[in-house]
Amino acid sequence: DAGITQSPRHKVTETGTPVTLRCHQTENHRYMYWYRQDPGHGLRLIHYSYGVKDTDKGEVSDGYSVSRSKTEDFLLTLESATSSQTSVYFCAISEFNTEAFFGQGTRLTVV
Amino acid sequence: AQKITQTQPGMFVQEKEAVTLDCTYDTSDQSYGLFWYKQPSSGEMIFLIYQGSYDEQNATEGRYSLNFQKARKSANLVISASQLGDSAMYFCAMRDSMEYGNKLVFGAGTILRVKS
Repeated sequence: DAGITQSPRHKVTETGTPVTLRCHQTENHRYMYWYRQDPGHGLRLIHYSYGVKDTDKGEVSDGYSVSRSKTEDFLLTLESATSSQTSVYFCAISEFNTEAFFGQGTRLTVV
Repeated sequence: AQKITQTQPGMFVQEKEAVTLDCTYDTSDQSYGLFWYKQPSSGEMIFLIYQGSYDEQNATEGRYSLNFQKARKSANLVISASQLGDSAMYFCAMRDSMEYGNKLVFGAGTILRVKS
C-alpha cells in the first residue's frame, strides 16, 4: 500500500472556525491532490500541488487554501468553515501519468 | 461541462454473473488515460484498472476488464464472475495528458450490489 496518511480521520467543528487537514506521504511522489466527496458528485478536485510550494486551484476551491512546504506534506485549510463544507475529504498522490493513490479520507462535519 | 458520465446510479447483479458498469467521457485531446476505482463501504479508494488512449488492446486485471471504445468515447468496466465482495461504489476517472497538473476527473459513481 502507498504510504499516505491523513489526519485527523474525523472532525466536528463549528461554523466560522478555521480547520486544517493534513496529508503526509512517504512515497516521494511529485503530485498531491485534495478532493472532496459528496453524494451525487463523485470526487471533486479542490486544490493540487505539482511540487514544493507549487499549488493550483481545482474546480471547487472557494473557501479553501493549501500549502506544501515539504514534498511529503500537503495541508488543506478551510479558512472559515461553513456547513456546505461538511464532506469527506481525500488526499491523493501520484507520479506523472500514473494512477493516483488515496489516503483513508477525513470525515468533516461543520455544525 | 461534465467530462465523465456514469449513467447508472445503482446496479444489481447476481453472484457469479458478469456485470458492466458504464462510463462515457468527453475530451478533445488525443492523449488521455482512463481509470476505474472501487470504494467499498469502509471508504477507501482502491485503484482497479487503467487504459491509455493509445493502447490498442483492452486492459484486463484479473476479473476486471475495460471495454474501451474510443470512437464512442466509452470506457466501460466489466466485472466477471461477481463476488459478494464486489459490492461497492465504482468510479470512472480520466486524466487529460495535455491538461496541466496531472489531474484526475471523476464521474459521480455507480453503486453495485451483488446478490447471493
